[in-house]
Amino acid sequence: QVQLQESGPGLVKPSETLSLTCTVSGGSISTYYWSWIRQPPGQGLEWLGNSHYSGSTNYNPSLKSRVTMSVDTSKNQFSLNLSSVTAADTAVYYCARFFSYYYHGVDVWGQGTTVTVSS
Amino acid sequence: QTVVTQEPAFSVSPGGTVTLTCGLNSGSVSTSYYPTWYQQTPGQAPRTLIYNTDSRSSGVPDRFSGSILGDTAALTITGAQADDESDYYCALYVGSGLWVFGGGTKLTVL
Repeated sequence: QVQLQESGPGLVKPSETLSLTCTVSGGSISTYYWSWIRQPPGQGLEWLGNSHYSGSTNYNPSLKSRVTMSVDTSKNQFSLNLSSVTAADTAVYYCARFFSYYYHGVDVWGQGTTVTVSS
Repeated sequence: QTVVTQEPAFSVSPGGTVTLTCGLNSGSVSTSYYPTWYQQTPGQAPRTLIYNTDSRSSGVPDRFSGSILGDTAALTITGAQADDESDYYCALYVGSGLWVFGGGTKLTVL
């Protein structure tokens, strides 16, 4: 049973870069697409993007200039970097695994980690 | 800009049937958008219910079903139970590797 665990700072200052890591246990990080999804307080879900061990990525166009995602197969981890953050980036950030067929969406979710942007 | 639309709120009586919908501001939803549905209770991570329009994820009861209804994707809950009271989100594949979530529907069972 694959499990995902997010880690990273819970507090980030405005204009700085938010960096999160998701550790994959119980399975290989190869083959699948890996995703980041966030949820601002009291709001809905927002897909941020996906990354693949091959280096392929897809990003939400609304964030494309600020977001970078990557996969580290040696550590069985994938990561999110979001630059120039503002209070609007305050959210619960979920890492997730897509089904082996990309068009089937998310099949495994992490528990989420709260990130607050504040000075 | 692609906007995925959902009813903000819905209510259903225990044992009743409810259909939640997922639409597009730019036109009709078809199976080509690979509609997916997720359930989220307060303070918890989402749970995948339905993928590829009508396929149930592992462990999901068969009272949850997905379909295309007219111009929208639909999630139907038959025989609603108290613990179905949750937020429900749909997501659509809009091409070029991109996914868009709807705003979610808050379902009350009362």
